[in-house]
Amino acid sequence: SQTIHQWPATLVQPVGSPLSLECTVEGTSNPNLYWYRQAAGRGLQLLFYSVGIGQISSEVPQNLSASRPQDRQFILSSKKLLLSDSGFYLCAWSAHGAEQYFGPGTRLTVT
Amino acid sequence: GENVEQHPSTLSVQEGDSAVIKCTYSDSASNYFPWYKQELGKGPQLIIDIRSNVGEKKDQRIAVTLNKTAKHFSLHITETQPEDSAVYFCAASWTSGSRLTFGEGTQLTVNP
Repeated sequence: SQTIHQWPATLVQPVGSPLSLECTVEGTSNPNLYWYRQAAGRGLQLLFYSVGIGQISSEVPQNLSASRPQDRQFILSSKKLLLSDSGFYLCAWSAHGAEQYFGPGTRLTVT
Repeated sequence: GENVEQHPSTLSVQEGDSAVIKCTYSDSASNYFPWYKQELGKGPQLIIDIRSNVGEKKDQRIAVTLNKTAKHFSLHITETQPEDSAVYFCAASWTSGSRLTFGEGTQLTVNP
């Protein structure tokens, strides 16, 4: 069966510091991968999605970037965090033409 | 692009009652409509979905209905239990596996 992992589970970072969140999927090949941000427990905002290695589409211009160095690895990064980057970051995967499944999330607090 | 509106934003019911959450979508090309349940501090969990070639789908106490003409779909939970308390999200896309557009969520509280 397929499993999706995210780490870290929680993170507290100062303004201006870099960020790296990681997502990995097990048990499938060539999945679509997604990064979402959720503020205040509502409203999932799609940030990036990827249909293959090195193929990243950005949905919202912002302080963040994404990379997919391996088939089942998706990384969300920032060079300098802003207060507004705080939130709950969710990674998701789907097989092509199938349902989308979410990971457990990373709670990011920028102080 | 697609726009999904979800109502109500909060819903409180007594245990054993039914709960209904409604969503409307704007893009007539959308043909895949999943529902997610999110418990506090966890990622959303897919609970049921429906495709545009079907008008209704049931899975035990939950059901989803779709009206393509009116471009709205609904989640129905019968015989609610306290463990049904969570935030529920509807979503739409032009096909499963593609980008989803989410509603803003409904906080469902089931009172024992």
